[in-house]
Amino acid sequence: AQSVAQPEDQVNVAEGNPLTVKCTYSVSGNPYLFWYVQYPNRGLQFLLKYITGDNLVKGSYGFEAEFNKSQTSFHLKKPSALVSDSALYFCATGGGGSYIPTFGRGTSLIVHP
Amino acid sequence: GAGVSQSPSNKVTEKGKDVELRCDPISGHTALYWYRQRLGQGLEFLIYFQGNSAPDKSGLPSDRFSAERTGESVSTLTIQRTQQEDSAVYLCASSLGGYREQYFGPGTRLTVT
Repeated sequence: AQSVAQPEDQVNVAEGNPLTVKCTYSVSGNPYLFWYVQYPNRGLQFLLKYITGDNLVKGSYGFEAEFNKSQTSFHLKKPSALVSDSALYFCATGGGGSYIPTFGRGTSLIVHP
Repeated sequence: GAGVSQSPSNKVTEKGKDVELRCDPISGHTALYWYRQRLGQGLEFLIYFQGNSAPDKSGLPSDRFSAERTGESVSTLTIQRTQQEDSAVYLCASSLGGYREQYFGPGTRLTVT
């Protein structure tokens, strides 16, 4: 079985400050990890993924995520937050022979001007 | 190119009526997923189609829910004898299969009165 945990329901950060949205996972075997973003009244959009290779993955809109195998984490980061980054962020994991990803509960990111 | 489309965008129905939701995936995408997203909650997997293989129906919450897909094209999700707890946003996503990222439609907001 696979699972994903997003321990924070909400993250608040000031514009211009770095942001981190946390995600930990549990998967048998090698994990496949994704981040998606859901802007208000819009569908989910793919941000980035880790399949294999470099632990630091760069994605859309200046976001990046770091795969940490020992801590089973895949935290989403951005060096300088924008108000327009305010949205709902979902971490998802696949692997262990299943092509059906498991999504986390989502973290609401609020960037204050 | 065109993204994933869903129709209708909104559906209000009376308790006990049947509803049919439609998803048009991205052309060439072999995999198609249906999810349910209740207000303020994460994504709940419903069903997964991969090419001409038998679908994975393990997420369907009851036998009132069913889905079909013709080849690698349109899919319909049918909910029979709708209940108030079926009220949610129903999301469809498609991908190139395997552990590839998913592309989501805008969703159908279903309200059962």
